[in-house]
Amino acid sequence: SYELTQPPSVSVSPGQTARITCSGDALPKKYAYWYQQKSGQAPVLVIYEDSKRPSGIPERLSGSSSGTMATLTISGAQVEDEADYYCYSTDSSGNHWVFGGGTKLTVL
Amino acid sequence: EVQLVQSGAEVKKPGESLNISCKASGYSFTTYWIGWVRQMPGKGLEWMGIIYPGDSDTRYSPSFQGQVTISADKSISTAYLQWSSLKASDTAMYYCARHNSRYYSSGRYFNPDYWGQGTLVTVSS
Repeated sequence: SYELTQPPSVSVSPGQTARITCSGDALPKKYAYWYQQKSGQAPVLVIYEDSKRPSGIPERLSGSSSGTMATLTISGAQVEDEADYYCYSTDSSGNHWVFGGGTKLTVL
Repeated sequence: EVQLVQSGAEVKKPGESLNISCKASGYSFTTYWIGWVRQMPGKGLEWMGIIYPGDSDTRYSPSFQGQVTISADKSISTAYLQWSSLKASDTAMYYCARHNSRYYSSGRYFNPDYWGQGTLVTVSS
């Protein structure tokens, strides 16, 4: 079965840049999406189609993709950005959709 | 405003059946896919499957095929997730999510864009 691999945790100080990676064999040809989930809340879409930002999402969150890796970048991370972040994409057939294992971002 | 309102928490025994619901409003229910995502306690998100209420076309993750049933009643804009025989391992939070669908040269894409508040299902003897 298809897998997307993320680091379990990333830690930065306030104001620093946090980068969360997502690795998958089909990412060179398939879009990645990113979701933010704060404690006790439902997930929220923060990046779609590799690098597009839904309305209402702060500009400090950005996405990129190169080869088999997609990256979510939080520039000037703030305490309120502390959350679990999940990438989401599909395999090369486009039939199987999966989430990555999630990355816990700590900002302190 | 798009809203997905899920049914309340459930406590069940192993072997029992269960149907949880997700009522949609604020958009055309029959023209968007809607699906379910599982989150086991302290774990990550797992995509379970989706249904297109317009024609009941349903897609399942291989991990959940045969384990659950996804359905929808377009007359009341409500999607359902059903178990015929629960197991303790079904204990989890279940989220419904509207899925945006787009076609590109690289294929068809489905992604959750709006989420319900979640339904906690606890299965314990």
